[in-house]
Amino acid sequence: DTEVTQTPKHLVMGMTNKKSLKCEQHMGHRAMYWYKQKAKKPPELMFVYSYEKLSINESVPSRFSPECPNSSLLNLHLHALQPEDSALYLCASSLGLQGTEAFFGQGTRLTVV
Amino acid sequence: GENVEQHPSTLSVQEGDSAVIKCTYSDSASNYFPWYKQELGKRPQLIIDIRSNVGEKKDQRIAVTLNKTAKHFSLHITETQPEDSAVYFCAASKYGGSQGNLIFGKGTKLSVKP
Repeated sequence: DTEVTQTPKHLVMGMTNKKSLKCEQHMGHRAMYWYKQKAKKPPELMFVYSYEKLSINESVPSRFSPECPNSSLLNLHLHALQPEDSALYLCASSLGLQGTEAFFGQGTRLTVV
Repeated sequence: GENVEQHPSTLSVQEGDSAVIKCTYSDSASNYFPWYKQELGKRPQLIIDIRSNVGEKKDQRIAVTLNKTAKHFSLHITETQPEDSAVYFCAASKYGGSQGNLIFGKGTKLSVKP
């Protein structure tokens, strides 16, 4: 199994809603990442988890809250988002911290209305 | 922090021609350099990577070269095919330690005309 699975594939939410994005991998990878990608732009790192502990938070607003319940799962909790937060949210995982191949999920296309 | 510059931003070639995309990085401590291909509406997929202890790596029609002194690395695609059309991203990161993040270039949109 070389898949990183993200759900949902598409999400439309209002600015007062609370929602969660989910990411799952069963490759035994111990590093997991959230990236944000706007149209025609490269992925931008948001968070890095290593061995289920938050390793990097790239100054992301608190309306984005990551959670790593176990080594296979990574969540991103969303609350009080703004329309400019609309983007493709990509989860990735790698065997260890970057330096080994990072596998990306298909992403969640988020629209904030 | 690391900064990765990528050129050109768009590249159009005829089928069968070669394509070259170039990247430079700023942090001499970076030691891992992957290339990702992203088709429209799809996930980035790794196509080739190189580590700093190697100067060149080849996989069929794709090759990557690394010049550590000049801090630049390049992607070479030979005998291009229409299915090579996509956005290509270079990236740099430091292996090991407490850091572990890919810094991406801005991407190159490659169009291969039949």
